[in-house]
Amino acid sequence: DGGITQSPKYLFRKEGQNVTLSCEQNLNHDAMYWYRQDPGQGLRLIYYSQIVNDFQKGDIAEGYSVSREKKESFPLTVTSAQKNPTAFYLCASSLRRDSYEQYFGPGTRLTVT
Amino acid sequence: AQRVTQPEKLLSVFKGAPVELKCNYSYSGSPELFWYVQYSRQRLQLLLRHISRESIKGFTADLNKGETSFHLKKPFAQEEDSAMYYCALSGLVTGGGNKLTFGTGTQLKVEL
Repeated sequence: DGGITQSPKYLFRKEGQNVTLSCEQNLNHDAMYWYRQDPGQGLRLIYYSQIVNDFQKGDIAEGYSVSREKKESFPLTVTSAQKNPTAFYLCASSLRRDSYEQYFGPGTRLTVT
Repeated sequence: AQRVTQPEKLLSVFKGAPVELKCNYSYSGSPELFWYVQYSRQRLQLLLRHISRESIKGFTADLNKGETSFHLKKPFAQEEDSAMYYCALSGLVTGGGNKLTFGTGTQLKVEL
């Protein structure tokens, strides 16, 4: 069950701490994405990267940061500035930046108390 | 701006009954629409796309540009169809890439 991996599955943090969520893919995909999934709100795009060393803000980027130093990796940092960080975070990738189909990871559930 | 609306949070049907999951969209260009599905304890995955006009697991979806809709249909629901279904719209973004906008999802529950 390779493809896209996210770790850890569950993550607990204290309020005020930054936390980094891992996303790795071995599909040789150019584009990668981070979504947040909340009950009743569906999936909302946080950040996306169409190619290595490049990324753009999605619809709800405030309080988050990303990097794309390697093609395989797209880590997401949830900073203390994010007002409501407790959520389920999904990472996805697509073959090229203009590809329609996205492949999703298993997700990380972050709880901040 | 692109937007996807799924008006039903939960749809409950009996096994063997027809299913229709509603999806409406708003997009100024030529839309590319998809249905994604998330079964219990599984990853979100693509179910079907409108450009392929195919039937997957008995489901079909027709793009109606006049009504800006892309409803998902199946004539006879099966228990294994119980899942969360998301309608998604692909639109162009700066740099030539695509961005998926998802609806809020509909939980389909098929009862015996």
